[in-house]
Amino acid sequence: AQSVTQLDSHVSVSEGTPVLLRCNYSSSYSPSLFWYVQHPNKGLQLLLKYTSAATLVKGINGFEAEFKKSETSFHLTKPSAHMSDAAEYFCVVSEGDTGRRALTFGSGTRLQVQP
Amino acid sequence: EAGVAQSPRYKIIEKRQSVAFWCNPISGHATLYWYQQILGQGPKLLIQFQNNGVVDDSQLPKDRFSAERLKGVDSTLKIQPAKLEDSAVYLCASSPRGAIGTGELFFGEGSRLTVL
Repeated sequence: AQSVTQLDSHVSVSEGTPVLLRCNYSSSYSPSLFWYVQHPNKGLQLLLKYTSAATLVKGINGFEAEFKKSETSFHLTKPSAHMSDAAEYFCVVSEGDTGRRALTFGSGTRLQVQP
Repeated sequence: EAGVAQSPRYKIIEKRQSVAFWCNPISGHATLYWYQQILGQGPKLLIQFQNNGVVDDSQLPKDRFSAERLKGVDSTLKIQPAKLEDSAVYLCASSPRGAIGTGELFFGEGSRLTVL
């Protein structure tokens, strides 16, 4: 069975400082891992994905994540936070047959960016 | 390119009433998903369609929830009768045929249901 744990329900940073959103996963197979972002009253949007290629994955808006199999982690980082980064972030794991892969979402981390 | 369209955006009903949500996926997307997102939780898959066939409905409460995707395009999700615990945002997502299982889903803005 697959699962993800987002270690922080809320993270608050100041504009211009680094962002770290933590995610640990559990999977019986080689998983695919994703980060999605949800801005208020907007649909979920894919930020980045890991699918067994390079372990350091770059996404949109300056975000990146590193897949660490030994630590079963897939933390999301950004060197410098912007006010527009304030949103809910979801870590997602996917495994199973290609045609039936289920996405399992974490419970989310709300990022606040202070001016 | 138009995104995933959902309606209504908001719905308030009393328990034991029925409600229906509609979704129009991105043109050409073969796969359509319905997710339930309860406040404070991540989205949970209810049902996945490939064209107009069901791929996965293992987490759909079939005693009260039903969904269909006629002609492999639009989809409706119905709840009858509604319970208080059905209060949630219902998200529709779609993906192109080649993206099955890759996690690249395109989500609508959701339909927020409040059951009183």
